[in-house]
Parts: sequence; structure tokens; C-alpha cells
Amino acid sequence: EAGVVQSPRYKIIEKKQPVAFWCNPISGHNTLYWYRQNLGQGPELLIRYENEEAVDDSQLPKDRFSAERLKGVDSTLKIQPAELGDSAVYLCASSLELGGTTDEQYFGPGTRLTVT
Amino acid sequence: LAKTTQPISMDSYEGQEVNITCSHNNIATNDYITWYQQFPSQGPRFIIQGYKTKVTNEVASLFIPADRKSSTLSLPRVSLSDTAVYYCLVGDIHQTNSGYALNFGKGTSLLVTP
Repeated sequence: EAGVVQSPRYKIIEKKQPVAFWCNPISGHNTLYWYRQNLGQGPELLIRYENEEAVDDSQLPKDRFSAERLKGVDSTLKIQPAELGDSAVYLCASSLELGGTTDEQYFGPGTRLTVT
Repeated sequence: LAKTTQPISMDSYEGQEVNITCSHNNIATNDYITWYQQFPSQGPRFIIQGYKTKVTNEVASLFIPADRKSSTLSLPRVSLSDTAVYYCLVGDIHQTNSGYALNFGKGTSLLVTP
């Protein structure tokens, strides 16, 4: 069974440019998560979807970050414009169940973003 | 919301048993305890989850005392490939807002040497 797919794996952009990350969760998984992981830190949740509904986006910087999960499958996370401090690894994860926060999450390999 | 505290790092030799303790003094009645493992350049991977007493799978054991204010992840006979960061999470099965439920913190960096 294919795991969580993310693209691109690496991205280098100049500050003030836009960037987008794509995630394809495990087939049949209803919940999708986007995390940001800074160097030496654990993943920090940005947004959580149940199907196509964002049920928790309290930690998403809404002035420059946006996300969507059309049709409750693939998801895109966008940053516009990017800032130097956005350099990090962006992880996507999915889990089977709806509701709650203890369901086993399956993570993708992440996208390493470097903003210069 | 329950916050977790773990040691920043631990060292071990190959073949030894490693125990990583996580403190969660404010754990709530509905909270479960979950551990993840993360290798460099990879996303975290689920290891084990429990509510009380002891849980064991093919990878690790999780010990949870009666008061549930702490938990211990036990890795038997570690090998070099167990070198990774280990995260303890505490979450409410009915909670829809993340709070600390999906807070990975800094984790414990385990280094296994020959």
C-alpha cells in the first residue's frame, strides 16, 4: 500500500515569493494534517482536516498561509509571500478515523523549504 | 490540557534496554498516551499507544502507572538503527482542537552506539 505522498521534496525560493506544497494521503484516510517542523524541534500542527472540512486551523498563520482539501482527498498548503522564517520541513500526515486526536497518524517524507 | 516533559537526550549501547520516561501531570480522564519515532529526513512513525497499565507490541512496551501522571517507553535490546528522536503525545479521543493533543514537543534524542 502506498504511503503518504508529498511533493516537492525540496524547494528553494527567494523571500516574498509564493510556494505551494502538495499532499496525497493514504487511500481511505479521512483526516489529514499539515505540520511544520523547524530544525531541532518536533512537528507543530498547522491545520487538521476531517474530509474537506478544516476542523482545527488555530495555529495556521492566516495572513500568509492557506490550505485546501478539495473533495476530501489531496491537499495543498500555500505560503504567500514567503519569509525567511518559513524555512522548515513541512510534513503531511493522514489517519483513518474522524474525530479525536489519538488515531495513528501516517506521515509523508516532508518538503524541505529554504527561503533565501 | 496535558503538557508533556521528556529528557532532551539519552545515550545507550547496543543490546541494552532503554527506558524513556514522559511526565504528564495534568493528564485528563479521556487522554491516551502515544509515542512516535522519527529518523532524520523522515516523518514521525507511530510506535505504541496506551491508556493504562502495560501495552506491548513487537517494537516496544509502554508502562503507565495507576495515577497516569507519567509513562515509560521501553525499547528492549536496542540496535544502532534505533537511534532516533522519540516523542510522547497525550491526547483526548474526543477533542477536536489540537491544544497539546498534537503537540510533539522536542522529544528525546536517543543515540545508540556500539
